[in-house]
Amino acid sequence: KAGVTQTPRYLIKTRGQQVTLSCSPISGHRSVSWYQQTPGQGLQFLFEYFSETQRNKGNFPGRFSGRQFSNSRSEMNVSTLELGDSALYLCASSLSDEQYFGPGTRLTVT
Amino acid sequence: AQSVTQLDSQVPVFEEAPVELRCNYSSSVSVYLFWYVQYPNQGLQLLLKYLSGSTLVKGINGFEAEFNKSQTSFHLRKPSVHISDTAEYFCAVSDRYSSASKIIFGSGTRLSIRP
Repeated sequence: KAGVTQTPRYLIKTRGQQVTLSCSPISGHRSVSWYQQTPGQGLQFLFEYFSETQRNKGNFPGRFSGRQFSNSRSEMNVSTLELGDSALYLCASSLSDEQYFGPGTRLTVT
Repeated sequence: AQSVTQLDSQVPVFEEAPVELRCNYSSSVSVYLFWYVQYPNQGLQLLLKYLSGSTLVKGINGFEAEFNKSQTSFHLRKPSVHISDTAEYFCAVSDRYSSASKIIFGSGTRLSIRP
């Protein structure tokens, strides 16, 4: 069974731009969660989608948004990028009590 | 609210020596506990998890952890480490009554193995 895949793996953007990251969960998993990982703040929960609906949300500004499609694939969007948005963005899919993580997308904002 | 404390940000050990990575948690409800490993430039991989039952949990790569409810701890141990164990290790807790996504991670412990 294929694992969680994330595209692109690396991304460089300029302040003020917007970016879209993609996540394909493990087949059969309907829950997809997004996390931001930075050296200073560690791993922080962004949001979770289940059956195309946002089920849980972390404490991030409205510039961070997401969506989930009928095939459970998910996208995360960040608008008006700031330098502090530079991070590793991890996606995880879940069937029940355990999450399976993708390799992440490393976003650098210059 | 839940929280996780990993007491050591870095742990250096010699190859083939034993290691213990410490984790304490706080929660007002019953919890699930996890240890994840992150190798450089990769995502997180589940090492082991405690859901219920036996307090000694065995995971992959020879790691094990013991759930101690009275001390609210879930320390990770390995009797003999290998160079390939060099990575960052994260302890995590989730409320067993909530979605798996509502997981709180510790700040991580960087394990470095010296030959």
